[in-house]
Amino acid sequence: AQSVTQLGSHVSVSEGALVLLRCNYSSSVPPYLFWYVQYPNQGLQLLLKYTSAATLVKGINGFEAEFKKSETSFHLTKPSAHMSDAAEYFCAVRGSGSARQLTFGSGTQLTVLP
Amino acid sequence: EAGVTQFPSHSVIEKGQTVTLRCDPISGHDNLYWYRRVMGKEIKFLLHFVKESKQDESGMPNNRFLAERTGGTYSTLKVQPAELEDSGVYFCASTLLRDPGAEQFFGPGTRLTVL
Repeated sequence: AQSVTQLGSHVSVSEGALVLLRCNYSSSVPPYLFWYVQYPNQGLQLLLKYTSAATLVKGINGFEAEFKKSETSFHLTKPSAHMSDAAEYFCAVRGSGSARQLTFGSGTQLTVLP
Repeated sequence: EAGVTQFPSHSVIEKGQTVTLRCDPISGHDNLYWYRRVMGKEIKFLLHFVKESKQDESGMPNNRFLAERTGGTYSTLKVQPAELEDSGVYFCASTLLRDPGAEQFFGPGTRLTVL
């Protein structure tokens, strides 16, 4: 079985500051890892994914994440926060079962302060 | 190309009533998933269709929930009778491939409130 832990349900950063959202996973098989973002009144949008190729994954809107097997982590970063980054962010791991359903973390609400 | 759509966007019902949620996946996507997020909790898997067949419904909470996908196109999720704990946001997602690295495309969700 897979599981995901997102540390910090709420994170606040100043505009222009580094964004770091933490995600740790548990998986008995090589994982497929995803970061999704949900803006208000919208569906989840894929930011980036790790599928066993490069360990540093670049996504949309300047976000990137690094897969660290030794730490079972897949933290999301962005060098400089923008007001438009305010949203809820979800880390997810893909199952090895037949359904290939996603197992999500509990989400991190990012607030960007002016 | 149209994305995943869900109807209604919001539904407020009384305990004991019936509600039907609808999901229209991206055209041609054989794989359709339902997820639910109860207030403050993580998004949880409910079930998975491949075309019109239920592949995995291990996440369905109980037999008050019935999902269908007649014809392999849109899907409905019926809750009958609704209970207070059914309140939450119901998401639908679709994907063309079952490859584990394939992106699941999500709809905006239906917010269900049971009073």
